[in-house]
Amino acid sequence: AQSVTQLDSHVSVSEGTPVLLRCNYSSSYSPSLFWYVQHPNKGLQLLLKYTSAATLVKGINGFEAEFKKSETSFHLTKPSAHMSDAAEYFCVVSDHRRDDKIIFGKGTRLHILP
Amino acid sequence: DTGVSQDPRHKITKRGQNVTFRCDPISEHNRLYWYRQTLGQGPEFLTYFQNEAQLEKSRLLSDRFSAERPKGSFSTLEIQRTEQGDSAMYLCASSLGQNQPQHFGDGTRLSIL
Repeated sequence: AQSVTQLDSHVSVSEGTPVLLRCNYSSSYSPSLFWYVQHPNKGLQLLLKYTSAATLVKGINGFEAEFKKSETSFHLTKPSAHMSDAAEYFCVVSDHRRDDKIIFGKGTRLHILP
Repeated sequence: DTGVSQDPRHKITKRGQNVTFRCDPISEHNRLYWYRQTLGQGPEFLTYFQNEAQLEKSRLLSDRFSAERPKGSFSTLEIQRTEQGDSAMYLCASSLGQNQPQHFGDGTRLSIL
């Protein structure tokens, strides 16, 4: 069985400071992991994906995430937050054997303080 | 790449009415997915198609819901006899195939009066 837990429902950071959005997963098999971002009243945009290649994955807009199997984590980071990063972020897990069975976390709302 | 498009963006209807949503995927994508998203939650899988074949349906998809993709291109999602609990954002996504990222449309927001 698969599941994904986003540890914080809201995160607030000041503009120019680092961002950390936490995600833990559970999967019976080798997972694929994704981060998506959703701006208000918009669809989801893929930030990055992990599919068993490099454990440190670089995505768009300066975001990156590190897959840590021992900790079953896939946290999203960015060195310096920008006002335009304010949005909802979703961690997603899928099973290589059943790739279309993807599970979304409940989301983390990122607030950027001026 | 014109992206995934969904129509309409917003739908307001009275309880008990039928509604139909349309999704046009990215043209070369053979997989198409439907999700439902309620306020404060992540999207929940409803169903998906490989070309015109509907391969999986979630238990969330009651018998009032039906989805089609007749020619393997666009898809429709119909909800019959709408209920208050159907109010949500309905998202469509498409992908090139197995283990490929899903690309999402902007969704159709359904409000039941």
